[in-house]
Amino acid sequence: GENVEQHPSTLSVQEGDSAVIKCTYSDSASNYFPWYKQELGKRPQLIIDIRSNVGEKKDQRIAVTLNKTAKHFSLHITETQPEDSAVYFCAARTLMDSNYQLIWGAGTKLIIKP
Amino acid sequence: DGGITQSPKYLFRKEGQNVTLSCEQNLNHDAMYWYRQDPGQGLRLIYYSQIVNDFQKGDIAEGYSVSREKKESFPLTVTSAQKNPTAFYLCASSPRRTSLNTGELFFGEGSRLTVL
Repeated sequence: GENVEQHPSTLSVQEGDSAVIKCTYSDSASNYFPWYKQELGKRPQLIIDIRSNVGEKKDQRIAVTLNKTAKHFSLHITETQPEDSAVYFCAARTLMDSNYQLIWGAGTKLIIKP
Repeated sequence: DGGITQSPKYLFRKEGQNVTLSCEQNLNHDAMYWYRQDPGQGLRLIYYSQIVNDFQKGDIAEGYSVSREKKESFPLTVTSAQKNPTAFYLCASSPRRTSLNTGELFFGEGSRLTVL
């Protein structure tokens, strides 16, 4: 079945610097890759996603890149700000038992240092 | 105000007791999900339902039960058979996935269950 690995588990960056979180997946048939942000004590919320027919997608300071050949995708945050501090989860959508399911990475705790 | 509501936010239970967590949505979403979140791990799927009166087991269904009698509601019962029930439980819903949407998950605020 599908397996998603996410690295690093914790990332600490200086405010204003860039942050990159990487995920790899195992099922080459996976076709959709969302990223969710979970601030402390709050619910996860979708921040950006990418379909398998696209290589890169940007939304202001965040971007996601997908390398289908290597089966990995990454979240890029530029000009980091204190409000970017959160846990970020990647996921890959795969077909399991005739239903599409999201398989999740273990999460990355991003710490923005002032 | 549309959204997905979980209750209670915090719950304490003695060993051997069943407990039911509530999840209600007014987003008119077809699909609903229950996830368990433990520190250092991703979200693990307990049960999901794509339509009323139907549900399927996820990866860690043992010791849990659900029902989907109404589109808006998907309660989760943590039974005494669940060996390590202390965790943070998240409910989510999504619209039916079509070629025009990706089936984005909308999460509730979670319920933290502690077994004493």
